[in-house]
Amino acid sequence: EIVLTQSPGTLSLSPGERATLSCRARQSVKSNYLAWYQQKPGQAPRLLIYGASSRATGIPDRFSASGSGTDFTLTIGRLEPEDFAVYYCQQYGDSPYTFGQGTKLEIK
Amino acid sequence: EVQLVESGGGLVQPGGSLKLSCAASGLSFSGSAMHWVRQASGKGLDWVGRIRTKGNKYATEYAASMEGRFTISRDDSKNMVYLQMNSLKIEDTAVYYCARLGVSSGLGYWGQGTLVTVSS
Repeated sequence: EIVLTQSPGTLSLSPGERATLSCRARQSVKSNYLAWYQQKPGQAPRLLIYGASSRATGIPDRFSASGSGTDFTLTIGRLEPEDFAVYYCQQYGDSPYTFGQGTKLEIK
Repeated sequence: EVQLVESGGGLVQPGGSLKLSCAASGLSFSGSAMHWVRQASGKGLDWVGRIRTKGNKYATEYAASMEGRFTISRDDSKNMVYLQMNSLKIEDTAVYYCARLGVSSGLGYWGQGTLVTVSS
């Protein structure tokens, strides 16, 4: 199975700052089938990005993503208070559809 | 409004069985691959498996640790997807979500989850 490693484990930033989250795969993700999710406490995950760089419906444009092959990045342009949450990447190019372990974005 | 509502969670002894249900509304259910994802308390997301559509012969795929113990099925006439869990282990304790991931359309939907606790 494809192992995804997210870094950092925790990111401490202030509102208004820019956040950069990384997701690295041990082997190439087929067709860049890489998604990003946001999860807040007590809530189900929410799809942010699919196909490595396409924003899901209703996602603000301060969320952007890039990458290919084994290295992927999620960027949040200017952090809003509601952006502080846990973020997961997931590859869906090969079964099993594995998740990364998550990055917690916390308020500094 | 799209809704996915899971049910059937509860307390079960190790080695026991449980069947979870997920009722879908407001989406093109028969045209959607449906997934189950679980999350142990304070831990990350863990993909359980997927069932494809009728056009893809209702093919199923599972995570290795669940293969042979878990079975996903669906009833398109009722807009329902199911997760039959057998030979349950303590480490299967988690909140189980059903989801249409939406990774081909950008329209992803998740239920609120149902808690399964495996304990003696």
